[in-house]
Amino acid sequence: DVKVTQSSRYLVKRTGEKVFLECVQDMDHENMFWYRQDPGLGLRLIYFSYDVKMKEKGDIPEGYSVSREKKERFSLILESASTNQTSMYLCASSRTGTAGNTEAFFGQGTRLTVV
Amino acid sequence: AQTVTQSQPEMSVQEAETVTLSCTYDTSESDYYLFWYKQPPSRQMILVIRQEAYKQQNATENRFSVNFQKAAKSFSLKISDSQLGDAAMYFCAYRRYNNNDMRFGAGTRLTVKP
Repeated sequence: DVKVTQSSRYLVKRTGEKVFLECVQDMDHENMFWYRQDPGLGLRLIYFSYDVKMKEKGDIPEGYSVSREKKERFSLILESASTNQTSMYLCASSRTGTAGNTEAFFGQGTRLTVV
Repeated sequence: AQTVTQSQPEMSVQEAETVTLSCTYDTSESDYYLFWYKQPPSRQMILVIRQEAYKQQNATENRFSVNFQKAAKSFSLKISDSQLGDAAMYFCAYRRYNNNDMRFGAGTRLTVKP
């Protein structure tokens, strides 16, 4: 089974702190994603990466950056955390290509609270 | 960017009954994939069913089936013989054929009444 693991289920950080959210997948997937989930807004794509050191902005990249130094690991960085970044963060991975079985597999989510 | 709309924030169904969750999407592409994901209270998002746009036949997975209307850009999920374990948030998602990022709707919270 594909496993996508996020380093923390719950995090509490202070305003202005630099925050790292880590995600690791074990299925050699090319693509990795960071989504933010808020009630009534669904999942919004922050960034995704289709290869090591490659990244593309999603719909809401402001205030975030990402790092992918190894294929299995994708980090989301909040350079200076703010209270409006309090949310659920979901990491996902998928195989690349046009085959039908390229759905995303998700981690268990990290609930981040910025105080 | 493509948009995915789920117009029902909440739905409820009696155990053993059938419920349909709605999803519409906006795209100018002719080839793409559509998905329904389930997120139970444990938060782990899992795939329920997928549909390739080039296939005319509606996908089916056990008690879950879709009604895919390509011209109307509609992709509804039907759950038959609803079970208590079906209670969850359900998200509709879209992915372009030659692109790897996915777009999600706002979700529908399904309650199953015993």
